[in-house]
Amino acid sequence: EIVMTQSPATLSVSPGERATLSCRASQNVNDNLAWYQQKLGQAPRLLIYGASMRATGIPARFSGSGSGTEFTLTISSLQSEDFAVYYCQHYNDWPPFTFGQGTKLEIK
Amino acid sequence: EVQLVQSGTQVKKPGDSLRISCKGSGYNFATDWIAWVRQMPGKGLEWMGIIYPRDSDTIYSPSFQGQITISVDKSISTAYLQWRSLRASDTAMYYCARRQFLENWGQGTLVTVSS
Repeated sequence: EIVMTQSPATLSVSPGERATLSCRASQNVNDNLAWYQQKLGQAPRLLIYGASMRATGIPARFSGSGSGTEFTLTISSLQSEDFAVYYCQHYNDWPPFTFGQGTKLEIK
Repeated sequence: EVQLVQSGTQVKKPGDSLRISCKGSGYNFATDWIAWVRQMPGKGLEWMGIIYPRDSDTIYSPSFQGQITISVDKSISTAYLQWRSLRASDTAMYYCARRQFLENWGQGTLVTVSS
């Protein structure tokens, strides 16, 4: 089973600033990596798939990068609605398609 | 518009059986994988398993193998998650989601197991 490790666990950033979230896979997952946003009391929402492809309706301030075992989600200029919990997930080859433990993005 | 609509909140006792559902619409249900995801109170997301409706090919996470059953009735575009004997530790929100990367999500079904 591939273990996904996200860092940091909590990230404090001011509105308008850039946020950088990291995700590491214990094995090569190629570019089969997705990012999700979850706000309190809501279902998660797909932001990024294929490591760098924005899902439908996702603003351009969200971008993903990386391949293999190291991935990054960048939010270029934080808006108030972006403060949430973010999860990465691999979907490479064979299940289980495990999630990272999440990064909580909070207002500084 | 793609939609996944899940069945409603459940309150059960330990040892009860339960089946919750997830109905897809707005796309070809048979040809997209449906996954189930658990979120325990205050915790992160856990991938439970996945099913391909066309042939019911099902793969479970080792963490959930033997504890749950995932099934589908493609004639009514509905996937199911089932327990034979619930435990208090099954208390959680359960989500269904479409495709291997989880492009669309249901609204969630809250399951509470308490004596």
